[in-house]
Amino acid sequence: AQSVTQLGSHVSVSEGALVLLRCNYSSSVPPYLFWYVQYPNQGLQLLLKYTSAATLVKGINGFEAEFKKSETSFHLTKPSAHMSDAAEYFCAVMFRRGPLVFGKGTRLSVIA
Amino acid sequence: GAVVSQHPSRVICKSGTSVKIECRSLDFQATTMFWYRQFPKKSLMLMATSNEGSKATYEQGVEKDKFLINHASLTLSTLTVTSAHPEDSSFYICSARRDRFLASEQFFGPGTRLTVL
Repeated sequence: AQSVTQLGSHVSVSEGALVLLRCNYSSSVPPYLFWYVQYPNQGLQLLLKYTSAATLVKGINGFEAEFKKSETSFHLTKPSAHMSDAAEYFCAVMFRRGPLVFGKGTRLSVIA
Repeated sequence: GAVVSQHPSRVICKSGTSVKIECRSLDFQATTMFWYRQFPKKSLMLMATSNEGSKATYEQGVEKDKFLINHASLTLSTLTVTSAHPEDSSFYICSARRDRFLASEQFFGPGTRLTVL
């Protein structure tokens, strides 16, 4: 069965610092992987997705993620955090045409 | 871009009443729609998958008689919470997928906050 584990329910960084949000997946076959962002009382917005093309995926708002099969990871990074990046981030996995399976989320706080 | 709307955005109801939540794909036809439930500070839990014109597929543990899903057209799916109770209070989010291709993106609605008194 597919599953997603996000390490750290809360990450706090200073403005301008590197953002690293961790995601590991479990799947018997290579999955499709996604990162979503959710602002308070809003739906989810897609940041980026991996669909078996390039392993380094660039998304919106300066975020990128690298698919590492050997480590079963898909960590999200951003070189320099902005205050506007404070939100909840979800990693998700999808297999074939199935629904998205979400991790538990990581709340990112950005300190001025 | 693909836009998904939900109505209402917030609803407060008395225990025992039924509440209907609409999910619409505004500028595309959605072959599949999904309904999720999100508890405070928790992840999204898939409740059911619905394809236009067919019965919804419910996830294990989700009461299909409690959460009625109708996907009557390619742009509209509805979730009806029947005989709502306080434990049904939650944030309900729908998403829509516009084609059957692998890894086709799901577009999410803004969510509906349900409070049952």
